[in-house]
Amino acid sequence: DQQVKQNSPSLSVQEGRISILNCDYTNSMFDYFLWYKKYPAEGPTFLISISSIKDKNEDGRFTVFLNKSAKHLSLHIVPSQPGDSAVYFCAASAGGGTSYGKLTFGQGTILTVHP
Amino acid sequence: NAGVTQTPKFQVLKTGQSMTLQCAQDMNHNSMYWYRQDPGMGLRLIYYSASEGTTDKGEVPNGYNVSRLNKREFSLRLESAAPSQTSVYFCASRWQSEKLFFGSGTQLSVL
Repeated sequence: DQQVKQNSPSLSVQEGRISILNCDYTNSMFDYFLWYKKYPAEGPTFLISISSIKDKNEDGRFTVFLNKSAKHLSLHIVPSQPGDSAVYFCAASAGGGTSYGKLTFGQGTILTVHP
Repeated sequence: NAGVTQTPKFQVLKTGQSMTLQCAQDMNHNSMYWYRQDPGMGLRLIYYSASEGTTDKGEVPNGYNVSRLNKREFSLRLESAAPSQTSVYFCASRWQSEKLFFGSGTQLSVL
């Protein structure tokens, strides 16, 4: 039972345009959501996060939106750059601070940004 | 500043062999984690250690054991490797925030 789903295995975008990566979840106990970025042969690196008490969080070119009623979150990258080409994982945790590292991950979306 | 260091980077085992994956962090983090990544399944938590001296099971602990040797080191042991344990293994650590810092991974093949 996949509690966090990224239904798009891949996304291709032109440089300078917006990239939108989507993630759905089923567990209503999740209260913290994160996005990680992963390059080949490297470990995932933290990108941005959002608490369930918010509906938007912004950090530079990256914005995460959370729609709790739909159990859906999305990551917007504007403008997209070729260096953003990577695998993006959505992740969620439940139970507050002590559970932060106990993440449930989605399957990942491969983003390719073409020059 | 090395962050989270995992050894080895690659390993091939025969079914039934044992091995230990090593992980060390130099960020003085309290909590450490072992995840595995399989194609099409994202990362799944195997075991974690919330603080030195404690360990707990994650989502997929069967076939594994862990040791939190000290604050810096958290090892993962496969006592009798099986082909189903072929995967990429990631160690991670964190301090107080929600951010996990990952190592670069160990690619393990069990034949």
